[in-house]
Amino acid sequence: EIVMTQSPATLSVSPGERATLSCRASQSVSSNLAWYQQKPGQAPRLLIYGASTRATGIPARFSGSGSGTEFTLTISSLQSEDFAVYYCQQYNNWPPVTFGQGTKVEIK
Amino acid sequence: QVQLQESGPGLVKPSETLSLTCAVSGYSISSGYYWGWIRQPPGKGLEWIGSIYHSGSTYYNPSLKSRVTISVDTSKNQFSLKLSSVTAADTAVYYCARQGDGYNLGGHDAFDIWGQGTMVTVSS
Repeated sequence: EIVMTQSPATLSVSPGERATLSCRASQSVSSNLAWYQQKPGQAPRLLIYGASTRATGIPARFSGSGSGTEFTLTISSLQSEDFAVYYCQQYNNWPPVTFGQGTKVEIK
Repeated sequence: QVQLQESGPGLVKPSETLSLTCAVSGYSISSGYYWGWIRQPPGKGLEWIGSIYHSGSTYYNPSLKSRVTISVDTSKNQFSLKLSSVTAADTAVYYCARQGDGYNLGGHDAFDIWGQGTMVTVSS
């Protein structure tokens, strides 16, 4: 099973600042990596798939990069609605699909 | 637009079987995609339970495989989850979601549309 490790666990950022979230895979997942945003009481929402492709309707301030075992989600200028928990997920050679433990982006 | 809606009992007794259904609207299950179940214990992260292809092929998390059955009913445009011998550790919000296959979502198997989730508590 591929283990996904996200860092940091919590990221404190001021509105308008840049946020950089990391996700590491225990073995290569090529570009088979997705990012999700989850707000309290809501289902996760797909932000990025294929490591760098924005899903439909996702603002351009969200960008993904990386391949192999190291991935990054960048939010270029945090808006109030971006404070949430973010999960990475690999789908390379599944089953199983596996998720990271999440990074909470909170207001500084 | 495509919508998914989970339904089922919110309370299940220990050792019994948890049964949930996901009704799909706005898209025909038989047209493609995988259809999956993911759960989230209170205050914790996401755990993939399993997925089913529109043809009926199933894929399960090895950690749950002995207790999980996922089935599809294309006539009703819905798919279902059964989890047997439940314990308190199975208490979670259960989500159903559409998962890309080799012909959709650019060939990527991410979960692009999710249901709102349903809370299931295992308790006597």
